[in-house]
Amino acid sequence: GENVEQHPSTLSVQEGDSAVIKCTYSDSASNYFPWYKQELGKGPQLIIDIRSNVGEKKDQRIAVTLNKTAKHFSLHITETQPEDSAVYFCAASIYNNNDMRFGAGTRLTVKP
Amino acid sequence: NAGVTQTPKFRVLKTGQSMTLLCAQDMNHEYMYWYRQDPGMGLRLIHYSVGEGTTAKGEVPDGYNVSRLKKQNFLLGLESAAPSQTSVYFCASSYLEGTTHNSPLHFGNGTRLTVT
Repeated sequence: GENVEQHPSTLSVQEGDSAVIKCTYSDSASNYFPWYKQELGKGPQLIIDIRSNVGEKKDQRIAVTLNKTAKHFSLHITETQPEDSAVYFCAASIYNNNDMRFGAGTRLTVKP
Repeated sequence: NAGVTQTPKFRVLKTGQSMTLLCAQDMNHEYMYWYRQDPGMGLRLIHYSVGEGTTAKGEVPDGYNVSRLKKQNFLLGLESAAPSQTSVYFCASSYLEGTTHNSPLHFGNGTRLTVT
């Protein structure tokens, strides 16, 4: 089955700096790659997703890039703010949510 | 519009006890899911349902049972709790996405279960 690896497990940046989280996946048939943000005591919330027919997607300060050949995708957060501090999860899916596999998560801390 | 609501928020069980976790969604979503979250392991799918009256096994189904008697509710049961089931449990729902089959998961805020 699909295996998703996520790095780093923890990331600390200064406010205003950029943050990058990387994920690799094992199954070349995967075609949907969402990113979820989890704040303390809350459930994960989708922040951005990308499908395999595009290489990059942006939404304000957040962007995701996908390299299908290398089987990796990354989350980029620019101009980080303290409210960006949370745990971020990547995921990969071949067909539907039932086969989706999540990475282990990255704890991002943005220092004011 | 409350989204996905899970009850209870916390629970402590002794080994061998049973309990049921309740999930309710008010978004008229077809699909519902139960995940467990453990440190360093991300989210793993326990069971899911693609509609009222249907259930299916996910990645880690052993020791759990589920039921979806009403479209808006999805119950997760532990018949004989074990310490290995200590975890944070999340319920999620999603709508039926046309031909692409993937749509965003909407999560509840979780239930923290400790089995001693």
